[in-house]
Amino acid sequence: ILNVEQSPQSLHVQEGDSTNFTCSFPSSNFYALHWYRWETAKSPEALFVMTLNGDEKKKGRISATLNTKEGYSYLYIKGSQPEDSATYLCASMDTGRRALTFGSGTRLQVQP
Amino acid sequence: DTEVTQTPKHLVMGMTNKKSLKCEQHMGHRAMYWYKQKAKKPPELMFVYSYEKLSINESVPSRFSPECPNSSLLNLHLHALQPEDSALYLCASSPVGQPNTEAFFGQGTRLTVV
Repeated sequence: ILNVEQSPQSLHVQEGDSTNFTCSFPSSNFYALHWYRWETAKSPEALFVMTLNGDEKKKGRISATLNTKEGYSYLYIKGSQPEDSATYLCASMDTGRRALTFGSGTRLQVQP
Repeated sequence: DTEVTQTPKHLVMGMTNKKSLKCEQHMGHRAMYWYKQKAKKPPELMFVYSYEKLSINESVPSRFSPECPNSSLLNLHLHALQPEDSALYLCASSPVGQPNTEAFFGQGTRLTVV
């Protein structure tokens, strides 16, 4: 079973700050890497799904990169807003099991 | 409709009770999943159904019994649970065999075993 690690565990930033989180995963038998945003009392919602080494994806102020050879992905938020406050989960999928293995998440709080 | 609906939202049950959690989706997804999440821990995979057949059981105790009666429904039957089984139970669905596509999650059932 994969071991997916995320850092930091939590982050408090001021509105307007830019921030980034790290997700590390085993690089062998890599299949896909997912990022989810999870607000309290809501469902986790997908931000990005990435499969190719060197992939970079962007959605508004949020972007992500993927390095499958060394087994890491970065999530960047530019100009954080209070509505960005949530837990950000990454999950990796390998070619054997083909089911998501999650990290513990990074809890982001953005102060107005 | 991109919703995954889980019922109930909250459940309190005694250790001798039998209860069921329900999950429903109408996106035509043929893979459905149960995850268990305890506080400050990652969601842990319990079961995967693919085309209504159980494809992964992550060595889950038999007091948890999954069922996939059709392509839209996934149930988790609970019997003789322990207090340590208290957790958030998440259901998810996705297309089968498409790594580029996201999974869709329900809001979860918050289970307390007393």
